[in-house]
Amino acid sequence: QKEVEQDPGPLSVPEGAIVSLNCTYSNSAFQYFMWYRQYSRKGPELLMYTYSSGNKEDGRFTAQVDKSSKYISLFIRDSQPSDSATYLCAMRQGSNYQLIWGAGTKLIIKP
Amino acid sequence: NAGVTQTPKFQVLKTGQSMTLQCAQDMNHEYMSWYRQDPGMGLRLIHYSVGAGITDQGEVPNGYNVSRSTTEDFPLRLLSAAPSQTSVYFCASSPLITKLSTDTQYFGPGTRLTVL
Repeated sequence: QKEVEQDPGPLSVPEGAIVSLNCTYSNSAFQYFMWYRQYSRKGPELLMYTYSSGNKEDGRFTAQVDKSSKYISLFIRDSQPSDSATYLCAMRQGSNYQLIWGAGTKLIIKP
Repeated sequence: NAGVTQTPKFQVLKTGQSMTLQCAQDMNHEYMSWYRQDPGMGLRLIHYSVGAGITDQGEVPNGYNVSRSTTEDFPLRLLSAAPSQTSVYFCASSPLITKLSTDTQYFGPGTRLTVL
C-alpha cells in the first residue's frame, strides 16, 4: 500500500463549481502538507502549504488538514477553465527533507 | 533569473546507451533533487543533494548516478539505459528547510526520455 493515496481522476466539473480534491495517508509522523499544481507538459508549482492540522485559505483556494483522520483536502471555489491541471499532494515528516507524493488528480473544468 | 533549467527537453536512447541530463539553478538553493514521473505513480525521488559535494539516494536510485560539484549544477547520469527508464524527469531546487521556510520546490520544465 502506498504511503499517500490520491484518486487519479479525471475529475470533470462545470465552470463555477466548487471542487474538492483529497489525499489520504498512512504515516502519522507527517507534519508538513503541500498541494502542487501541474499544467500539461510543465513542472509542478507550489499552490498551498500547511503545517500540522487546520485550514489555510488563499483566494479561491482552501487547504484543509485532518491529522486525526490522516486526510487532506484542497477546495477550489468558483472554478475556472484555467484551473484545469493535475493537482498533486505532497507531505513530509518534520526531520526529513524528502517529500512523499500522491499520484496526482487530473482536474478538468468545462466552460 | 532563469530559475531551474533542464536540457535536453526530449531524448531518445537505445538500450545500453548512456547519457547525462543537465540541471542548473540560479537561485543559490542548497537543496536539489531529481524525480521521475510515470503515469499513475506520481513523482518518485531518484537522488538528492543538500549542498555541493553532498548527495544521497532517494526512493529509486538504481541505474542513475549524480554529482554536485557546484551549488548551481546537478547532473543526472544514466549509466546503461533500459526501457524501464522511459519517463519524464524533473529536476527541482529549494532553500534548505528550516522552521521558518516553506517547502517550496522549484521545478524545471522536465526532460522526456524514451528508451527503445
